[in-house]
Formats: sequence, C-alpha cells, structure tokens
Amino acid sequence: GAVVSQHPSWVICKSGTSVKIECRSLDFQATTMFWYRQFPKQSLMLMATSNEGSKATYEQGVEKDKFLINHASLTLSTLTVTSAHPEDSSFYICSAARGGYEQYFGPGTRLTVT
Amino acid sequence: KNQVEQSPQSLIILEGKNCTLQCNYTVSPFSNLRWYKQDTGRGPVSLTIMTFSENTKSNGRYTATLDADTKQSSLHITASQLSDSASYICVVSAVRNNDMRFGAGTRLTVKP
Repeated sequence: GAVVSQHPSWVICKSGTSVKIECRSLDFQATTMFWYRQFPKQSLMLMATSNEGSKATYEQGVEKDKFLINHASLTLSTLTVTSAHPEDSSFYICSAARGGYEQYFGPGTRLTVT
Repeated sequence: KNQVEQSPQSLIILEGKNCTLQCNYTVSPFSNLRWYKQDTGRGPVSLTIMTFSENTKSNGRYTATLDADTKQSSLHITASQLSDSASYICVVSAVRNNDMRFGAGTRLTVKP
C-alpha cells in the first residue's frame, strides 16, 4: 500500500497561463501533503506543507499567490502554478504522510513553460 | 551551509561491485534519517528509515548504518546491478516531523 499518484506526469504550457497539478493518495488517507520542486541535478526543495482543510504553510521565498495549494480532502491536494513563466519550468513532486515518519512520494510532474 | 552533506557527488562502478555512499548531518534535535532512491524523472522511493536508537537497517542489497554520535550515515549497496543507477538522497528530520533536510544526493552509475 501507500501509493501516491500525480497528474499530469508532464505538461507544456505557454507563458502567462495557469497549470494545475493533482496529487492523490490512492490507498490511504493523508493527514499531510507536501509539495516539492526539483531543478536538474539538484535535490528536492520543499515548497509548502498542507493539511486537509487548512491553509498551506509555505517555505520562505515561495510565493503563495503564485503557487496555490488546495488540500480539499484527505486523498487529494492540488498545486496551481499561476501566470507561469519559463523560470517556473521544473519537476514538481508531491508526497503524502499518514502520520509517523514516512512520506510517500508521487512520481512527479514535469512542467515546461514556453 | 546545508545541514545534510552527501559524498561523493557522483560515482561510477562496474556491475557486481559494492559501493558505499556517505551522509553527514548537523540537523538537531535528530528524529530520523532516511535514504531514498530516485530514478531520473521519477519521485523518490524509500529504502530505509532509521531512528536514534537504530544503527543498522537492511533492505535487500541495501544496508544503511547510522552513528548518531558522530552524525554520520552510510548506505552500502552490495552486488550492484544496472538498475541501481539512480540518485540516492539522504534526508534527515528534526524532532518536528515536517522539518526535513535533504542532501543534494549522490548520482550512482552502474556500468556493465
């Protein structure tokens, strides 16, 4: 068990448009979900932490108005990149936790902004 | 300075050989340390999780060690396979579970 999915797996969008990425825990209820960004050959950088039904907590330097996070249920969190620009092109990864130490990562979403 | 330092940055070995990856950390107060394997273009997959009281944990051909006194961990891979080619990431958490610190990873390439 403990499978996390992301959709889409990759997306290409034009500069100025918005893109929504979904993160789902398929076989467990996630008390907390995390969103990460990863640039090539770098490690994951935590963007924000969200708990179901409450506002996300953003890491320093992450614009909350640009990266909108909605944790609508215990199995679904969405990240919307608003007014995307080429510098937002990155690999976005979510993870879900159900209590305890373990975080289960999704397969990631490759975003390319042209 | 990153609170989790991994070495080497990259490593190339021949199939069948063993290797050891290192992770040094300064995160405090320590809660747990995890090793993840990340294939290119994929999300990380957990290999091992160790808490303060554990000093060795194995998962198949992967064996992680932890020395909480010196704040060092290692990941030993035995009889490497081509499919072991990936980035290996060390993640250390402070007592507050959300406070995870990621190492930059070690890029392992296994050649035939």
